[in-house]
Amino acid sequence: DMKVTQMPRYLIKRMGENVLLECGQDMSHETMYWYRQDPGLGLQLIYISYDVDSNSEGDIPKGYRVSRKKREHFSLILDSAKTNQTSVYFCASSLAAYEQYFGPGTRLTVL
Amino acid sequence: TQTVSQSDAHVTVFEGDSVELRCNYSYGGSIYLSWYIQHHGHGLQFLLKYYSGNPVVQGVNGFEAEFSKSDSSFHLRKASVHWSDSAVYFCAVMSNYNVLYFGSGTKLTVEP
Repeated sequence: DMKVTQMPRYLIKRMGENVLLECGQDMSHETMYWYRQDPGLGLQLIYISYDVDSNSEGDIPKGYRVSRKKREHFSLILDSAKTNQTSVYFCASSLAAYEQYFGPGTRLTVL
Repeated sequence: TQTVSQSDAHVTVFEGDSVELRCNYSYGGSIYLSWYIQHHGHGLQFLLKYYSGNPVVQGVNGFEAEFSKSDSSFHLRKASVHWSDSAVYFCAVMSNYNVLYFGSGTKLTVEP
């Protein structure tokens, strides 16, 4: 069963705290993505990873970093979270970029 | 720069009606065009794609989309909608760098 998982599903943090969002996939896809979704804005690409330790910035990388040490895991890290990083974060993986498999999302609130 | 425009933020139809969700894009090179569906509280799911060939492509659950180079459009259609089709629909264009650019989405509400 092809699946992308995300943990946690909901997270509340205070401004200045560190945040770790985890993503896993069981399809051995080389390429993985992190997006954020805000009302009326669609999805914005934060980072793309082409394989282990091969990561590239997306359109809005500022304030985020990523880590990919195993093909099946891709982490998004917010060092010192800000209130404007309150959003829903989606991880995705793909064999071909036009067909991406998305996780269920993590709703992050930064107070 | 590639952009995707979905001009209708909300569309409401009745069950059994046909529906067309509009998507226009701007991009100079060869592209893939896709449609995704997002049910409330879930991630996006791939519906269909176009790259070349027959401009009308079929997707899951009776959805189809038609590519028009002259109009720079890739509209999504369904002949007879069901209440379970209520969701947000996203059009997307893929550039040369394996990056998908999404439109802002159209929320489809199917009334009983």
